Amino acid sequence: AQSVTQPDIHITVSEGASLELRCNYSYGATPYLFWYVQSPGQGLQLLLKYFSGDTLVQGIKGFEAEFKRSQSSFNLRKPSVHWSDAAEYFCAVGNTGFQKLVFGTGTRLLVSP
Amino acid sequence: EAQVTQNPRYLITVTGKKLTVTCSQNMNHEYMSWYRQDPGLGLRQIYYSMNVEVTDKGDVPEGYKVSRKEKRNFPLILESPSPNQTSLYFCASSYDPGGKYGYTFGSGTRLTVV
Repeated sequence: AQSVTQPDIHITVSEGASLELRCNYSYGATPYLFWYVQSPGQGLQLLLKYFSGDTLVQGIKGFEAEFKRSQSSFNLRKPSVHWSDAAEYFCAVGNTGFQKLVFGTGTRLLVSP
Repeated sequence: EAQVTQNPRYLITVTGKKLTVTCSQNMNHEYMSWYRQDPGLGLRQIYYSMNVEVTDKGDVPEGYKVSRKEKRNFPLILESPSPNQTSLYFCASSYDPGGKYGYTFGSGTRLTVV
């Protein structure tokens, strides 16, 4: 069965520092990959998605993610974190024929001054 | 505006008292789904529907019912809620459950069962 692993439950980053959130997936073919962000008390907002083509994907709010097939990874990056980026981040996998998106357990990002 | 509307946003209820969480979408999506979000577990699918009158169980369907009598509506029913159903619930809709055309999520319903 398909699965998504986000190995970091919490990450603390200083404001202005760079960020990388890890995501590994388990799926036999090339999946659709997504990163969602959930701010406190809010719903889910799509940051970016990968279907095919260029493995470096640009998203909203200055985020990017890189698909690495050999590592089954889709890590999220941002060069300079802002205090407003403090939120929970979810990686998800899908594909044609799926009946749902499969989500990871999430990584909570804390931003220190 | 394209959206998925869930109601209520917050609900506190007592064990055993039947409740319904409504979900409505205005995008003519065939696919709709309910997820629950719990700390450390991410989002898990409860039920989904591929079209009117077509519903199926997700990963955690126990204690829940759904119906899809109209394309736009997909209510989640808890006939006898229990404290372990305290959670944050999201409704979602899409043209494609695999995600190719994106998902639209509702704002969530935070349910507390005491």
